[in-house]
Amino acid sequence: EDQVTQSPEALRLQEGESSSLNCSYTVSGLRGLFWYRQDPGKGPEFLFTLYSAGEEKEKERLKATLTKKESFLHITAPKPEDSATYLCAVQARGGSYIPTFGRGTSLIVHP
Amino acid sequence: DVKVTQSSRYLVKRTGEKVFLECVQDMDHENMFWYRQDPGLGLRLIYFSYDVKMKEKGDIPEGYSVSREKKERFSLILESASTNQTSMYLCASKVWDEQYFGPGTRLTVT
Repeated sequence: EDQVTQSPEALRLQEGESSSLNCSYTVSGLRGLFWYRQDPGKGPEFLFTLYSAGEEKEKERLKATLTKKESFLHITAPKPEDSATYLCAVQARGGSYIPTFGRGTSLIVHP
Repeated sequence: DVKVTQSSRYLVKRTGEKVFLECVQDMDHENMFWYRQDPGLGLRLIYFSYDVKMKEKGDIPEGYSVSREKKERFSLILESASTNQTSMYLCASKVWDEQYFGPGTRLTVT
């Protein structure tokens, strides 16, 4: 069974204080790992897909990296508008095309 | 831009009522999903559909049914609403590996 564990559950940062969110996964052959951002009361918004170990993707202050066991979402010099819940999901190769989601990390960035 | 819309942002229904939640996507995606999201439990898959008139149960289908008569529209039906179905309901559509979510419907059953 595919599993995704995100840590920490919650993270508070000061504006400008860089940090990383972790997504550990077990999957029988990784097809892709996905990161989403979710603002309170809204649907998740797609951020990145990573396919193979060593791959990196960037968007503004966010950079996602992937190893064979985990992914990190690095947030550089965060701003209050980066406050949101960040969700990670994995999809296995072959068979079901349904992603397995983690429970998310709630990030609050204080001005 | 992919657009997934849901018929209501907020809905209040009484116990025992039949409830319809509608979802429409504008990108001709074959795969569509219904999730519910509750604090501490994350996203849980209720049903998904991989083509018109095709549906598969997800992890928590009890008390729900779905309908997909047209490719762009996927409906979630609560046959007889109960208070434990109070939740945020999220629809999504998917092409290849990227899943796109609607804005969500916050359903309260009293």
